[in-house]
Order: sequence, then structure tokens, then C-alpha cells
Amino acid sequence: NAGVMQNPRHLVRRRGQEARLRCSPMKGHSHVYWYRQLPEEGLKFMVYLQKENIIDESGMPKERFSAEFPKEGPSILRIQQVVRGDSAAYFCASSPGDTIYFGEGSWLTVV
Amino acid sequence: QKEVEQDPGPLSVPEGAIVSLNCTYSNSAFQYFMWYRQYSRKGPELLMYTYSSGNKEDGRFTAQVDKSSKYISLFIRDSQPSDSATYLCAMSGVVRKLIFGQGTELSVKP
Repeated sequence: NAGVMQNPRHLVRRRGQEARLRCSPMKGHSHVYWYRQLPEEGLKFMVYLQKENIIDESGMPKERFSAEFPKEGPSILRIQQVVRGDSAAYFCASSPGDTIYFGEGSWLTVV
Repeated sequence: QKEVEQDPGPLSVPEGAIVSLNCTYSNSAFQYFMWYRQYSRKGPELLMYTYSSGNKEDGRFTAQVDKSSKYISLFIRDSQPSDSATYLCAMSGVVRKLIFGQGTELSVKP
């Protein structure tokens, strides 16, 4: 039973470029979450999605960040015009309803 | 004041010791409580999940929730070097929006 799959695992972007992070939830899970772990900080909730719907985006920065979970294909977290402060580990998680399982993360480095 | 407080450690114990990890919280609406283990450069791995108050045991791990004191604990018996990791408590009022502690770094020495 495959876990939550994230790619790429490591991504390097220059300031001003776009970063796209992909996530496939565990089989049978219809809830997807994105969390961010900044250096020396804890994990912070960003967004909660179900297929074709954003349910809660209260943790998303107001600008440059967007997320989607289309009917077909993986969930995408998109960061436009990246800045150095976006360097972090981005974790996707999925849930069958009551518990949340995390992927291995995507480490974004902005140079 | 943070919603969830967790001593960051580091905590170092000899192999075989009983480890006690703790978190306190301020939001009385929290009812889902989880413990995750995270190895360096890896994702958080769910260890224990408790809904509302009470104890839960799984092998060498025991989770306790005391809602009256707003205090949760994770006990690890017969600790092993492979238990060396960062342990994260997480909790929420609704499942989707987990609030995490800072994490406690544990080192188990052979």
C-alpha cells in the first residue's frame, strides 16, 4: 500500500522563478493537506483540499501561493516568484477522515 | 503564548530507558491528539492517535491525554537507538488543521 507520494523531493529555484510541488494521496483518501516546515519552526498548516475544491486555505500566504486538487491527477502546490524566505520543507498529507498521514516532503531551496 | 508548547530538548537517554515526552496546550476545543516521529530529512510518521481523553497503548508506546489539565504525554518503554528522532505532538479541534508542537529531539545512546 503506497503512502503519500510527493515529488520532486528536492527542488532548487532562483529568486523570481516558479516552484510546483506535486502530491498523490494514499489510495482511497480523498482529503489532501499541505503543511510547511520552515527552518527552526514547527509544521504549519497551509491548505486543505478535496477533489476540485479548496475547503480551507486559511494558512496560505495571501500572495504567490496557490493549490489545487483536480478531478484527475495529483494535487499541486504552486509558488510563483519565489523568494529566499520560501525555502522550506513542504509536506503533503492525506486522510481517510480521522487521522492524517504525511509524505516524505519536498525540500525547496531558493538561491 | 503558543497554542501548543513542547520542550524542544534535546533529550538524551541510555538504551532501555523509559522516555517521557510531553505537550501542553491552551485551546480547550482540541479533541484530536496525535504523536508523530520524524527522522532527519523525512516526513512525520504517525505513531499514536487519540480522540478526546484517555490512554492508548501500542507495543512500546503509550499515549495519554488529560483534557482537564490540557496535557498530553507519550511514553516509550525499552527505548532503542532506532527511536532517536524528533517527536512531534499535534492536536486539533477539527482533524484538518493540526497544530504542532516544536518537536522534542530524542537521542537514545547504546
